[in-house]
Amino acid sequence: DSGVTQTPKHLITATGQRVTLRCSPRSGDLSVYWYQQSLDQGLQFLIHYYNGEERAKGNILERFSAQQFPDLHSELNLSSLELGDSALYFCASSETPSETQYFGPGTRLLVL
Amino acid sequence: AQSVTQPDIHITVSEGASLELRCNYSYGATPYLFWYVQSPGQGLQLLLKYFSGDTLVQGIKGFEAEFKRSQSSFNLRKPSVHWSDAAEYFCAVALYQTGANNLFFGTGTRLTVIP
Repeated sequence: DSGVTQTPKHLITATGQRVTLRCSPRSGDLSVYWYQQSLDQGLQFLIHYYNGEERAKGNILERFSAQQFPDLHSELNLSSLELGDSALYFCASSETPSETQYFGPGTRLLVL
Repeated sequence: AQSVTQPDIHITVSEGASLELRCNYSYGATPYLFWYVQSPGQGLQLLLKYFSGDTLVQGIKGFEAEFKRSQSSFNLRKPSVHWSDAAEYFCAVALYQTGANNLFFGTGTRLTVIP
C-alpha cells in the first residue's frame, strides 16, 4: 500500500458525460501527478500540481481539467467523454517535485 | 528524440531462472531512473531507483538494477524468479534538472513465469 488513495476504483459512463476522479496523496506529500494508461498510448503524464498550484501540463486534453484543494487532495475532471478516453487513470504523489513518486491503485474508466 | 525504450514486450522465464529486463534511455543529461512493477489490476509499485552514487542499486523483492552511463542503460535483474514476479515492468526516467518533474515511461515488459 503506497498510501495514495483513489476513488472510485471503477467507473462506467456514456459518451458525452462528465466524471470526476479523486486522489488523496500520502500524508505530507505536496505534489500530485495524474497519469493516463491506455493500450495505444501507454503511460502518459497529464498534469502536476504542487501545494495547490498547477506546475506542469503534459498530454492533457482541453476537455480534461484538474485542481488541488487546500487539504492537498486532487480531482481530475473529464468532460465530453469519448470512447477513446477509456483508460486507467493514476494519481501519484511526492513530498516535493523532485522526489520519488508513489502511485495510487488507479481508477479504471470505461466509456460506452 | 527523447525516449525510454524497453525492447522486450514480453518475456517468459521458468521459475527459479534468472531474469534481466532491458531499459535504454535517450536524453541529453543523465536522468533519474526508476523501475516500477504493475501486477494485474493493480497500481504501480516502486521497485528501485537511481539518483546518483553506486551504479548498482538494490530494490525490493530481490531485484537489482545497474546503471551504465556508456550504454545509456538501466537494466533490471533478479537471480531467481518466483511465480509471484509475473507482472508488467516499467522503466521510467525523470529529468528533475530540467525543471520537468514528471516521469517518462517505457512501454513496459510483460513477464510470464512458468513452473
